[in-house]
Amino acid sequence: NAGVMQNPRHLVRRRGQEARLRCSPMKGHSHVYWYRQLPEEGLKFMVYLQKENIIDESGMPKERFSAEFPKEGPSILRIQQVVRGDSAAYFCASSPPGRNQPQHFGDGTRLSIL
Amino acid sequence: AQSVTQLDSQVPVFEEAPVELRCNYSSSVSVYLFWYVQYPNQGLQLLLKYLSGSTLVESINGFEAEFNKSQTSFHLRKPSVHISDTAEYFCAVSGEAAGNKLTFGGGTRVLVKP
Repeated sequence: NAGVMQNPRHLVRRRGQEARLRCSPMKGHSHVYWYRQLPEEGLKFMVYLQKENIIDESGMPKERFSAEFPKEGPSILRIQQVVRGDSAAYFCASSPPGRNQPQHFGDGTRLSIL
Repeated sequence: AQSVTQLDSQVPVFEEAPVELRCNYSSSVSVYLFWYVQYPNQGLQLLLKYLSGSTLVESINGFEAEFNKSQTSFHLRKPSVHISDTAEYFCAVSGEAAGNKLTFGGGTRVLVKP
């Protein structure tokens, strides 16, 4: 039973480019979460999605960031016009339906901005 | 709003010695508590969780944590550590007010010395 799959593991972008991070949840999991980990810090919640719905985006920056979880395919976290401060590890987690189910994490995408 | 405080950012400990990682939370409503472990360049792995019932919860690799509602704490302990326990440990909380999103503490880095 495959775990949460994130790709790419490492992504390098120049300032002003777009970054697309992908997450395939565990089989049977319909809830997806994105978290960001800045260097030497804990994880900060960004967004919580179910299929075709954004449930909670209270942690998303107001500009340049967007997320989707389409009916088919992986969840995508998209960062437009990246800046140096976007350099971080981005983790995706998934959980089965239901409230407060334990979340299972992927290995993350490490985004570096040149 | 929920918050989590991990009082120690780093804990050096000798092999076979006991270790305690402190975690305090603030929340005005029912909470669910988690400990996750992160090995270098990997995602987070669920170590143990408190959802309800017995306040003492155990993991399969010898860790245990006790939910103390009056002290709003969920400290993690292991009576005898191994070199392989070297990792970063994160305490997290979710709850009725915040829905499914996790709020993490800043992490405690455990370095086990021979």
